[in-house]
Amino acid sequence: KAGVTQTPRYLIKTRGQQVTLSCSPISGHRSVSWYQQTPGQGLQFLFEYFSETQRNKGNFPGRFSGRQFSNSRSEMNVSTLELGDSALYLCASSSGQQGRNSPLHFGNGTRLTVT
Amino acid sequence: AQSVTQLDSHVSVSEGTPVLLRCNYSSSYSPSLFWYVQHPNKGLQLLLKYTSAATLVKGINGFEAEFKKSETSFHLTKPSAHMSDAAEYFCVVSDSVPGTYKYIFGTGTRLKVLA
Repeated sequence: KAGVTQTPRYLIKTRGQQVTLSCSPISGHRSVSWYQQTPGQGLQFLFEYFSETQRNKGNFPGRFSGRQFSNSRSEMNVSTLELGDSALYLCASSSGQQGRNSPLHFGNGTRLTVT
Repeated sequence: AQSVTQLDSHVSVSEGTPVLLRCNYSSSYSPSLFWYVQHPNKGLQLLLKYTSAATLVKGINGFEAEFKKSETSFHLTKPSAHMSDAAEYFCVVSDSVPGTYKYIFGTGTRLKVLA
């Protein structure tokens, strides 16, 4: 079974621009979550989508948004980029059923650098 | 409310000696518990997950963890460290409260393995 695929792997953008990151979950997984990871703040939850609906949301400004398509693929968008948005963005998929048999499966992330 | 505390931010061991990474959790309900490992610039890889079937859980790469309800702990151990074990480790808890579907991450423990 193919794992979680994130594209692109690396991205360099300028302040004020916008960016879209993509995530393809493991086949059959209906839940996709996004996390931001930085050395200072650690892993922070952005949002989770299940069957095309946002089910959970973290504490990030409205510049961060996402969506999920009918095939469970997800995209994350960040508008008006700031220097502080530089981070490793991780996508994780799961079956979406809560509990012991639903671990998160992570992609290798997209490294975003804002200059 | 659920929470997870990784008691050590950094742990150093010599190659061939035992590894102990400590994790305490707080959960109002019967929790799901996971350990993940992250190598530099990579996503998180699932090491093991707790199911109610057994309190001693065996994972990949020789790691295991013991669920101790009375101590609310889920410490990760390995009998003999290998250089390739050097990475960051995350303890994760997820409550079985219906409708929450949240995963709480510890702040991570960076494991250093000395030759």
